[in-house]
Amino acid sequence: DIQMTQSPSSLSASVGDRVTITCRASQSISSYLNWYKQKPGKAPQLLIYTASSLQSGVPSRFSGSGSGTDFTLTISSLQPEDFATYYCQQTYSTPRTFGQGTKVEIK
Amino acid sequence: QLQLQESGPGLVKPSETLSLTCTVSGGSISTSSYSWGWIRQPPEKGLEWIGSIYYSGTTYYNPSLKSRVTISLDTSKNQFSLKLNSVTAADTAVYYCARHLIVGDGDWFDPWGQGTLVTVSS
Repeated sequence: DIQMTQSPSSLSASVGDRVTITCRASQSISSYLNWYKQKPGKAPQLLIYTASSLQSGVPSRFSGSGSGTDFTLTISSLQPEDFATYYCQQTYSTPRTFGQGTKVEIK
Repeated sequence: QLQLQESGPGLVKPSETLSLTCTVSGGSISTSSYSWGWIRQPPEKGLEWIGSIYYSGTTYYNPSLKSRVTISLDTSKNQFSLKLNSVTAADTAVYYCARHLIVGDGDWFDPWGQGTLVTVSS
C-alpha cells in the first residue's frame, strides 16, 4: 500500500494567514492526489483533484501543487470557515489511501 | 444535484454482519463512467477506503477488508449496499458512501453522504 504522510499534524493560525499543508507519498504517484476538507461531525468535501484542479464551487484561495511524491495544499488567506481537518488521498493505486489529516485550528 | 444518504442499523453485535444501504437521488447509479464507494472513519481517526463498485457491477476492494466485504448495486431502487461480515469492535466507525468519479486516469470521491455511525458491541 502507498503510505501518505501529512505535515504538520496540526497547526494554529489566524484569520488572514497563508497556510501550507504538505503531503508526502511513500512512492511516486504522479499527479494522482486529491485534497478534502472535513469539519467536525460532517462528511469530507472535495477541494482539489489531480493535485492542482480546483473543484467547482471551492473558493480560489485554495490551491494545490506538486507531483511525484511531494504535494502541497495552500490557503492564501485563511477564513473562519476554513478551520477544519484536511486530508490528502492518493489514487495512483489500489487501495486508495488517505493521509492522517492536518487539523487547522484558530490561533 | 446529486445527493447520497446512508441507512442501516447503528448497532451490530460482534461476529455478525454489518449491512448498510446508500440511496442516491438526483442522478442514476447506472450512469456510465460512475463508480460508487464506501469509506469509513473510526472515532477520532482518519479515513479508510473500503471499496467501490463500477456502474457495470465490477467491484474493487481494499485488500485489508476484501475477505469480509461485499458491495452491490440495486439499480431498480437506485441504491448500492455494503456488507461487512464477522465484525469486531475495530469495525466501529462512521461509514460514508460517495460517488467515486473516474475521469481519465484520475478519480476522486464527490459528493459524500452525511455518514452513519455503526457501533459494534454486544
